[in-house]
Amino acid sequence: NAGVTQTPKFQVLKTGQSMTLQCAQDMNHNSMYWYRQDPGMGLRLIYYSASEGTTDKGEVPNGYNVSRLNKREFSLRLESAAPSQTSVYFCASSVLGQGSGETQYFGPGTRLLVL
Amino acid sequence: SQKIEQNSEALNIQEGKTATLTCNYTNYSPAYLQWYRQDPGRGPVFLLLIRENEKEKRKERLKVTFDTTLKQSLFHITASQPADSATYLCALYYGNNRLAFGKGNQVVVIP
Repeated sequence: NAGVTQTPKFQVLKTGQSMTLQCAQDMNHNSMYWYRQDPGMGLRLIYYSASEGTTDKGEVPNGYNVSRLNKREFSLRLESAAPSQTSVYFCASSVLGQGSGETQYFGPGTRLLVL
Repeated sequence: SQKIEQNSEALNIQEGKTATLTCNYTNYSPAYLQWYRQDPGRGPVFLLLIRENEKEKRKERLKVTFDTTLKQSLFHITASQPADSATYLCALYYGNNRLAFGKGNQVVVIP
């Protein structure tokens, strides 16, 4: 049982390049989330998916797209990376949604540097 | 605007003492509040949840209180150990499947 896994661990991009961050969970959770964490800013929600086939914008969705490929996988895409997207990205999952007061399980993070 | 405040200064504490962290919030009415631990280079790990109708929750050496009148939660680590050194995040549920996280407060336990 690996929990939440993320790939890649590190990535360096040039401005304007695109990339997809991958996230998978093996806990049969319905809800999945993407956050970014910047120094002095705390974790901010980018997008979340309450269930397979649904996605919703979070606090900072601009410049990102997501795909809930199936129940296990939730990917985050940067179409045209900008230096402001330099951050650490965390994927998380929970059994249902936050309305029931559930724990979120986080992945190890992807460290992204955009030059 | 909505705000969650955690002390930005690290808390340095002697081993064996009780560490107390504060999470203050404004313009939220959270149904519950969670505390997470984050080690350098790792994702946050859930520790405790306390609901709005609960005053106190305990888990081993950890204790959380929740005062909805003061809009404050306190997080205590009793008999602190060097292994407790980490950053601790509070998170509020504010509806629509969303948690709002504080910036975190670092704890350094000195042997």
